[in-house]
Amino acid sequence: SQQGEEDPQALSIQEGENATMNCSYKTSINNLQWYRQNSGRGLVHLILIRSNEREKHSGRLRVTLDTSKKSSSLLITASRAADTASYFCATPPRRSNTGKLIFGQGTTLQVKP
Amino acid sequence: EAGVVQSPRYKIIEKKQPVAFWCNPISGHNTLYWYRQNLGQGPELLIRYENEEAVDDSQLPKDRFSAERLKGVDSTLKIQPAELGDSAVYLCASSSPPGAGDTQYFGPGTRLTVL
Repeated sequence: SQQGEEDPQALSIQEGENATMNCSYKTSINNLQWYRQNSGRGLVHLILIRSNEREKHSGRLRVTLDTSKKSSSLLITASRAADTASYFCATPPRRSNTGKLIFGQGTTLQVKP
Repeated sequence: EAGVVQSPRYKIIEKKQPVAFWCNPISGHNTLYWYRQNLGQGPELLIRYENEEAVDDSQLPKDRFSAERLKGVDSTLKIQPAELGDSAVYLCASSSPPGAGDTQYFGPGTRLTVL
């Protein structure tokens, strides 16, 4: 079963534009993580936001978390062609201390040069 | 620091044949995960190891899938016999220390095609 649902499923933008992806989840969480997957490659961890945080920045990435709405967003500013990839949100079950992550279906981002 | 290593990168087999995937986690990482990723989907956990102990294998189809992590380092995931529906990317990940949702480091995956 998948915990997170990303929206949109696919996004196409021009280089230099901002890209926003959303993630909704079903159960309470301790934290939410975003991963990137380039075509044919493994996943790379981008950022982790804890349940008591509302916003977090890392370079051109900005993540927000709204626990009341059970949703998170990932904003990539000033996008580059190299940002073309699939982006997944992932959450551990709240009562779990196992390190298990449940991934959403992902958003496929295409940045056109 | 070397990342998670997986082999082979690609495997094509006929149905009913056996297949095995190998993973070498990041040095010092106690926790190892095997995920399956179907086309257009996110990864789904198959099994998680803490050292050499399988602590979560609830999603592993035990009739045909098996895994081992001898000496708590390298791991092997096996499918016997393979079915058409097993075509997917099999990802290995590791993390340390074990805990609630710590960052996981993924290998490049093995893309399995069952004909």
